[in-house]
Amino acid sequence: EAGVVQSPRYKIIEKKQPVAFWCNPISGHNTLYWYLQNLGQGPELLIRYENEEAVDDSQLPKDRFSAERLKGVDSTLKIQPAELGDSAVYLCASSLDVIGLNTGELFFGEGSRLTVL
Amino acid sequence: LAKTTQPISMDSYEGQEVNITCSHNNIATNDYITWYQQFPSQGPRFIIQGYKTKVTNEVASLFIPADRKSSTLSLPRVSLSDTAVYYCLVGYNAGNMLTFGGGTRLMVKP
Repeated sequence: EAGVVQSPRYKIIEKKQPVAFWCNPISGHNTLYWYLQNLGQGPELLIRYENEEAVDDSQLPKDRFSAERLKGVDSTLKIQPAELGDSAVYLCASSLDVIGLNTGELFFGEGSRLTVL
Repeated sequence: LAKTTQPISMDSYEGQEVNITCSHNNIATNDYITWYQQFPSQGPRFIIQGYKTKVTNEVASLFIPADRKSSTLSLPRVSLSDTAVYYCLVGYNAGNMLTFGGGTRLMVKP
């Protein structure tokens, strides 16, 4: 079974340039997450989707970050324009959430490492 | 959401048992406790989850006392490949347990 697939694995851009990350979750998983992880720190949630609806985007810096999950499957996270402080690893995760059933398991991709020069 | 506290780092030697304790004083009745492992350049990976008492799988054991205000991840006979960061999360489903915290950096030495 294929896991969560992310691309690109690495991206180097200059500040003020746009960048986009793509995520393909595990087939059948209805919930998708984007996390940001700075070096030496734990992942921080940016946005959570249930199917195609963003149900928690309170931590997403909406002035420069945007995300979409069309058709409730793949998702794209975009940064425009990128700033030096956006250098980090962007992790995508998915889970199967059923009302009344605790699953508690997030499946993560390998992440996309962004370097902004 | 329940806040968790873990040691920042731990050292061990190959073959030893390692116990990592997580404090979660304000855990709610419906909350589960989940542990993840993360290697460099990889996303976190689910290790084990429990609600109370003891849970064991092929990788680890999870001990949860009756008051559930803490939990201990036990890794039997660690090897060098167990060197990683371990995160404790608390919540009642995958959509709720979203806060990873800083984790515990385990270094296993030869």
